[in-house]
Amino acid sequence: GIQVEQSPPDLILQEGANSTLRCNFSDSVNNLQWFHQNPWGQLINLFYIPSGTKQNGRLSATTVATERYSLLYISSSQTTDSGVYFCAVDLDTGRRALTFGSGTRLQVQP
Amino acid sequence: EAQVTQNPRYLITVTGKKLTVTCSQNMNHEYMSWYRQDPGLGLRQIYYSMNVEVTDKGDVPEGYKVSRKEKRNFPLILESPSPNQTSLYFCASRVLSGGSMKAYEQYFGPGTRLTVT
Repeated sequence: GIQVEQSPPDLILQEGANSTLRCNFSDSVNNLQWFHQNPWGQLINLFYIPSGTKQNGRLSATTVATERYSLLYISSSQTTDSGVYFCAVDLDTGRRALTFGSGTRLQVQP
Repeated sequence: EAQVTQNPRYLITVTGKKLTVTCSQNMNHEYMSWYRQDPGLGLRQIYYSMNVEVTDKGDVPEGYKVSRKEKRNFPLILESPSPNQTSLYFCASRVLSGGSMKAYEQYFGPGTRLTVT
C-alpha cells in the first residue's frame, strides 16, 4: 500500500512564528488532503490539494504530484493552531480509504 | 451548512451491551465510511459504503456491523462491544464520482469517543 511520511513529528513554536510541514508519499495519488486535529479530537479539513497551490488566510499548501510531496505552510502562528496536522492520500479506486501519515504535533506557545 | 454529524459524541459502556453510533450527512454523498483512531496505529477504515444497500469491509471490520438503508445515514453497530473497541470513531463522506467537478474531498464528522469497560 501507499506509504505516507510526515515531518517533523513534533514542532514547538512561539506565537507569531512561521512553519513548514512536509508530507511525502510513495506512489502517485489522485487525492490529497491536509487536516488539523484539534485538542478536542475533531478533524478539521484544511485543504483538498492533489496538485498545485492553495491559500486560506494564514495557511497555504502546495502539492508537487510528480515529485510525490506536499507542503503545508503556517504563517504568523497562533496558540489556536496547536494540535496535530495530518496529510492523507488515496488512489480514488477501490475502497477510497484515506491513508494517513503519522502527523506533525504542533505546539504554539504564547 | 454542509456537514457530517455523529451521535453520541461521548459514550462509556460495558462489555457486551449492544450500541449504535449514528452518522448522517446532508451533502447527498454516495460514499460514506467509518474509521477508528488509536494511539500508535493512526486512523484505520472499518467499513465503507458506495451507495444505498452497498457496503463492504475496510481494514478492521471485526466486531462491527453497518447498514445503509438511506443515502444520508450510515450507522455503526457494535453488537457485543469489548474493551479493545475503546477508540475514537469518525464517520466520513465524499462524492463518489464528480464528473467535471473532480473534487473528491472527504468530510469527517466530529468524532465519537467510546470507552468500553
